[in-house]
Amino acid sequence: DAGVTQSPTHLIKTRGQQVTLRCSPKSGHDTVSWYQQALGQGPQFIFQYYEEEERQRGNFPDRFSGHQFPNYSSELNVNALLLGDSALYLCASSLGSGDEAFFGQGTRLTVV
Amino acid sequence: GQQLNQSPQSMFIQEGEDVSMNCTSSSIFNTWLWYKQDPGEGPVLLIALYKAGELTSNGRLTAQFGITRKDSFLNISASIPSDVGIYFCAGVYNQGGKLIFGQGTELSVKP
Repeated sequence: DAGVTQSPTHLIKTRGQQVTLRCSPKSGHDTVSWYQQALGQGPQFIFQYYEEEERQRGNFPDRFSGHQFPNYSSELNVNALLLGDSALYLCASSLGSGDEAFFGQGTRLTVV
Repeated sequence: GQQLNQSPQSMFIQEGEDVSMNCTSSSIFNTWLWYKQDPGEGPVLLIALYKAGELTSNGRLTAQFGITRKDSFLNISASIPSDVGIYFCAGVYNQGGKLIFGQGTELSVKP
């Protein structure tokens, strides 16, 4: 039973560039949430996708956008990267209205 | 907005000792979750709590959902070196909704 998988594992980008991160949910899960984790902090909720639509959004600017595909996989896009966007980006999957979220290993994004 | 205060921030204990950490909030939650995160990895779900007053165990781990729905604690008994890591509490208000995380408790175990 495959867990949540994310790609790439590490990424280095330059300020102003755009980045796309990818996530495949745990088998059987239909809901994908994205979190940003700064060093030494707890994860912060970015947004959640269900049935290919954004169901809930946290306090992140419009530079952060996402998409969910019919197979439930998801992408996180960040435009006009800032140095402060450097963080571990975590994808979590869950089932419908369930609260138990299972996380991937994360994508470490460094903006230089 | 909703915030979780997790304490202590860090703990240094001897192998075999018991550990206790807690999480408090000014807002109520309907679900409490406890996660462990190893360096360079994503958080791993340890225990989920769904009812006020609920006490749940998972091996050497025991967690409780506070009666007021504003707090939760996690106990680890007879700690071992592989317990080392950062433990996070997370609260959920709306079913299936976003997780609000605490700042984490970093546990170090001395053999």
